[in-house]
Amino acid sequence: AQSVTQPDIHITVSEGASLELRCNYSYGATPYLFWYVQSPGQGLQLLLKYFSGDTLVQGIKGFEAEFKRSQSSFNLRKPSVHWSDAAEYFCAVGVKVMSNTGKLIFGQGTTLQVKP
Amino acid sequence: GAVVSQHPSRVICKSGTSVKIECRSLDFQATTMFWYRQFPKKSLMLMATSNEGSKATYEQGVEKDKFLINHASLTLSTLTVTSAHPEDSSFYICSAPPQAGGRNEQFFGPGTRLTVL
Repeated sequence: AQSVTQPDIHITVSEGASLELRCNYSYGATPYLFWYVQSPGQGLQLLLKYFSGDTLVQGIKGFEAEFKRSQSSFNLRKPSVHWSDAAEYFCAVGVKVMSNTGKLIFGQGTTLQVKP
Repeated sequence: GAVVSQHPSRVICKSGTSVKIECRSLDFQATTMFWYRQFPKKSLMLMATSNEGSKATYEQGVEKDKFLINHASLTLSTLTVTSAHPEDSSFYICSAPPQAGGRNEQFFGPGTRLTVL
């Protein structure tokens, strides 16, 4: 069955430090992968996506993610975290349901706290 | 990027009443929209897929008579929580893919906080 696992429920980093959020997926076909960010009480904003091609994808706000098929992973990274990055981060995989429809399956989310 | 709106952003109602939540795609047409429910500190749980011109597709365990979905046009889907009870209190989020298929990225509304007293 398709699934997404984010092993880290909560991560705390100091402002200016580097960040890596882990994501592992299970999907039989070529995955479409996404990272979304959610601020408190808000909807989700797309950070970046991977469909095909270069396995290192760049996103908004200085984030990047690397797709590693051999490890079934799509980890999110940022070289220097800002206090405004504190939020909930969700990894998702797009799965095909029928020929012309599909849906997103989300991981459990990782809460990022940034220390001053 | 594409914009999805939701109305209302927050609603408080009495137990036993029905509440309607609207989801609109503002600058694109969406033949499919999705409705999620999110509990505090939890991931998004897909409730149903709203299909323009046909019945919604509900995920396993979601009561279709409890959560009525109507995809009235290519830019509007509504979720009605019927005979709401306190356990229905939650954050409801809709989304729409700007491209057909749903496997592609989705744009999310800002969410609706429902509190049932």
